[in-house]
Amino acid sequence: QKEVEQDPGPLSVPEGAIVSLNCTYSNSAFQYFMWYRQYSRKGPELLMYTYSSGNKEDGRFTAQVDKSSKYISLFIRDSQPSDSATYLCAMSGRTSGTYKYIFGTGTRLKVLA
Amino acid sequence: NAGVTQTPKFQVLKTGQSMTLQCAQDMNHNSMYWYRQDPGMGLRLIYYSASEGTTDKGEVPNGYNVSRLNKREFSLRLESAAPSQTSVYFCASSERTPATNEKLFFGSGTQLSVL
Repeated sequence: QKEVEQDPGPLSVPEGAIVSLNCTYSNSAFQYFMWYRQYSRKGPELLMYTYSSGNKEDGRFTAQVDKSSKYISLFIRDSQPSDSATYLCAMSGRTSGTYKYIFGTGTRLKVLA
Repeated sequence: NAGVTQTPKFQVLKTGQSMTLQCAQDMNHNSMYWYRQDPGMGLRLIYYSASEGTTDKGEVPNGYNVSRLNKREFSLRLESAAPSQTSVYFCASSERTPATNEKLFFGSGTQLSVL
């Protein structure tokens, strides 16, 4: 079983839709939870990060972390064609004395004009 | 506004050839990382350097060596390339140490093919 599971998609939605992207994880030692956006042939760029459980909002983006369920989500409101990209979840923490910063495999999102 | 710069952007090697991927950051970050990205596998850490003069193995270090030349530069060397090393390689940096870090800044990647 992978430490982080993420549906690869692709996920196609019409412009203006609300998008929900999710990841599940198995290691309870993770403390930081991140979402990266990666455009085709580019490096990932940090979009959102959350420490421990709770919600964080930034413009059209909301990140949610539920540590009790080991489940994280990214919501995109009023989605735009420019949001079309691959979204990677990531999480970090120290487990068994070892640093870990691991990524999901990414979900491809297409927002149709 | 360079951030993290990687060279080259593309490279084709024959099995057994060697090469070095270069990375430089201009954000005065302490930590630097090398990742590889393969379809269905996500980003996997090869090596990292928490500070100038130190390097540590990540998840998939076999077949690679690294050098933290100074605070700005972190290079990745393939001594004898194999087809299994065909991948997209990303360099990243962070201000904080790996153990307490939440923000990585990535370069634009090197697409490497080993024939």
